[in-house]
Amino acid sequence: DSGVTQTPKHLITATGQRVTLRCSPRSGDLSVYWYQQSLDQGLQFLIQYYNGEERAKGNILERFSAQQFPDLHSELNLSSLELGDSALYFCASSTQAGAGETQYFGPGTRLLVL
Amino acid sequence: GENVEQHPSTLSVQEGDSAVIKCTYSDSASNYFPWYKQELGKRPQLIIDIRSNVGEKKDQRIAVTLNKTAKHFSLHITETQPEDSAVYFCAAGYNFNKFYFGSGTKLNVKP
Repeated sequence: DSGVTQTPKHLITATGQRVTLRCSPRSGDLSVYWYQQSLDQGLQFLIQYYNGEERAKGNILERFSAQQFPDLHSELNLSSLELGDSALYFCASSTQAGAGETQYFGPGTRLLVL
Repeated sequence: GENVEQHPSTLSVQEGDSAVIKCTYSDSASNYFPWYKQELGKRPQLIIDIRSNVGEKKDQRIAVTLNKTAKHFSLHITETQPEDSAVYFCAAGYNFNKFYFGSGTKLNVKP
């Protein structure tokens, strides 16, 4: 157990809908990262937050947004969902913001868009 | 930005043999190179990492080597066991920038 929690574990929804994924980082970690992993694909970095502010952006679609709250938990919002958004979404956390920091991954949220 | 290439995409070895997975990166500023193991349906887990001021690091049966001049780094697993079967991802990055992951290597260790 990495200490990073994600809810829900599974999510089934329909195209066009909006969902929110939640991540709680390890105690003391200030940085949260979001990744998307499609079937048989590698990890794709979406976005990073550090102490409440956006720090780095990857290949995140405009339909997706995220935020980190004062208690450091983070939410990833996915809207106007499409079939291709079906994937495993991981969040990870690290102590600081630098890429040299070890990232600890949560168990993931499996999203299925029908 | 960084571009990380990982080879091979699949690797099958006999139990007890060694396995080597290689990654190359493009951005010479990258200074942190972790390796993650992901079992089917589970989260990626860090198994070993190396920083640019070190050329080699070993942890029991796992070792990572880094050649900054050639911009490549490799994961070596010796005396492989069936429980080593998983997908392995390399990554590269540097301070205040994002991580880039390789496409993954599916390792199958045959008993």
